[in-house]
Amino acid sequence: GQQVMQIPQYQHVQEGEDFTTYCNSSTTLSNIQWYKQRPGGHPVFLIQLVKSGEVKKQKRLTFQFGEAKKNSSLHITATQTTDVGTYFCAGNSGGYQKVTFGTGTKLQVIP
Amino acid sequence: NAGVTQTPKFQVLKTGQSMTLQCAQDMNHEYMSWYRQDPGMGLRLIHYSVGAGITDQGEVPNGYNVSRSTTEDFPLRLLSAAPSQTSVYFCASSSSLDSSYEQYFGPGTRLTVT
Repeated sequence: GQQVMQIPQYQHVQEGEDFTTYCNSSTTLSNIQWYKQRPGGHPVFLIQLVKSGEVKKQKRLTFQFGEAKKNSSLHITATQTTDVGTYFCAGNSGGYQKVTFGTGTKLQVIP
Repeated sequence: NAGVTQTPKFQVLKTGQSMTLQCAQDMNHEYMSWYRQDPGMGLRLIHYSVGAGITDQGEVPNGYNVSRSTTEDFPLRLLSAAPSQTSVYFCASSSSLDSSYEQYFGPGTRLTVT
């Protein structure tokens, strides 16, 4: 079945440093979503990427979808303590329920 | 709108007991799903529904049953609880009206089976 791997599993950064998490799928995806989960909370949708090579920005967050539609990345510029949480990618290979979540990257920001 | 609601927030069961986790949404979403979240394993799909009366299995369905008699409600039943079912359970819903696969998650139920 489809597998979606995320690296790194954990990342500690000083406040103000940049952060990147990578998502890799074993199969070609039709789209990919990114979610953020605060400690003790539930996943919250951030964005969806659909097109090959697509890049989207949300303030300090930059999302990319690979040319082959098998990988994606989330980059945060100048991290803040409010960025703390676990970031998940969710790859979709076709149809609503062909969604597979990555294992997540837990971000800790040291003030 | 309350969004997606789940009850209970916490539950402790003994091995062999059964229970139902409740999930409801007030956004008129057709799609609903149940996930379990275990440390280091992300979210794994248990069961899902694409509309009232229609359900199907996800990645890890064993030990769980679902039904969808209304658009709003999607309960998850644990038939005979086992310690391996200790987890955090999230219900999610999504609209079928556009091409977005955005899922709205409930606050979760933390289940411990002893």
